[in-house]
Amino acid sequence: ILNVEQSPQSLHVQEGDSTNFTCSFPSSNFYALHWYRWETAKSPEALFVMTLNGDEKKKGRISATLNTKEGYSYLYIKGSQPEDSATYLCAWKGNTPLVFGKGTRLSVIA
Amino acid sequence: GAGVSQTPSNKVTEKGKYVELRCDPISGHTALYWYRQSLGQGPEFLIYFQGTGAADDSGLPNDRFFAVRPEGSVSTLKIQRTERGDSAVYLCASSPLTSGAGTQYFGPGTRLTVL
Repeated sequence: ILNVEQSPQSLHVQEGDSTNFTCSFPSSNFYALHWYRWETAKSPEALFVMTLNGDEKKKGRISATLNTKEGYSYLYIKGSQPEDSATYLCAWKGNTPLVFGKGTRLSVIA
Repeated sequence: GAGVSQTPSNKVTEKGKYVELRCDPISGHTALYWYRQSLGQGPEFLIYFQGTGAADDSGLPNDRFFAVRPEGSVSTLKIQRTERGDSAVYLCASSPLTSGAGTQYFGPGTRLTVL
């Protein structure tokens, strides 16, 4: 069974705080790691697709890092805003279809 | 441009009934994926199409589930003899690429409730 684990399951932060969460995945047969943001009643939105060990990607206040050798990725949000409230999903691609984690539910309190 | 659309947005049915869920992918996307998200879980892969053919249907849970994409665009997920355990959000995604590094563009999902 392929396990993609995300932690924490949920967190609440104050507006302006920076935060980060983790995705861990199998290090063997790695092909790509996807991050999505899913707001309630909307479509999951692609944030990043990462393929190279050591890769870092940034989109506005959100950035992500990738370590394929040890099997983890971090997602960082700098200066959280209420509109960042969503579930953040990571998905691992190996020699299989995408395998998703259960997500981290972020609530940003104004 | 238009994103991935799914209809209906919500479907309530009774145990034992047949349902169809529709997905309209982004125009020109050759790859189409179906996922199911049950309560408290991440999305789980069901089936993926490359063009008109099902390239991988290993995620379909049993033979009550079937999907088609006859013209390589719109896809329909069909569930026969629905069970309460089929209640979930069914997500569709499309991609211009079939490789895992290609971003998948998701629709808003269909929330299926089986009473």
